[in-house]
Amino acid sequence: DAGVTQSPTHLIKTRGQHVTLRCSPISGHKSVSWYQQVLGQGPQFIFQYYEKEERGRGNFPDRFSARQFPNYSSELNVNALLLGDSALYLCASSLIGPSGNTIYFGEGSWLTVV
Amino acid sequence: DAKTTQPNSMESNEEEPVHLPCNHSTISGTDYIHWYRQLPSQGPEYVIHGLTSNVNNRMASLAIAEDRKSSTLILHRATLRDAAVYYCILSRSGGSNYKLTFGKGTLLTVNP
Repeated sequence: DAGVTQSPTHLIKTRGQHVTLRCSPISGHKSVSWYQQVLGQGPQFIFQYYEKEERGRGNFPDRFSARQFPNYSSELNVNALLLGDSALYLCASSLIGPSGNTIYFGEGSWLTVV
Repeated sequence: DAKTTQPNSMESNEEEPVHLPCNHSTISGTDYIHWYRQLPSQGPEYVIHGLTSNVNNRMASLAIAEDRKSSTLILHRATLRDAAVYYCILSRSGGSNYKLTFGKGTLLTVNP
């Protein structure tokens, strides 16, 4: 079975530009989350979507937005890029259940803002 | 979110057992204990999780203290491929609103 897939794997953008990152969850997983990981830190939660609705938002500015499509894939959009947005962006999918959800991460999209 | 405390780094020798500790003194009754690891240049990988009882899977064992204020991830025979950052995370069970709060984790070095 395919795991969580993300695209692109690497990209370079200029300050002020916009970026769209894409994620396909594991088949059957209806929840998708996005995390940002800057060098030397643990991943930080950005968004969680379940059944196409936003269910959680981390402490990120409004320049960050996301959506989930009917097939449960997801996009993360970042507007007006800043140098500080350079990071590894991780997508994760999970089944939602009562017994301690397990999240499965993709390999991430490396974003460099210059 | 309840907080976890882990050592910044640990070192082990190949083929020896490794015990990675985690303190979570403010854990609540509905918090599950999760362990993830992250190899260099990869996304985090699920290792194991549990609530009250000790848990075993093909990757590791999780030993949970009786008062649940601490836990230990046990790698029975460390290999070079186990060198990674290990994160101990608490998460609430159930519901559709779900996130993981990562700390800095423990950097495990495995010596050949």
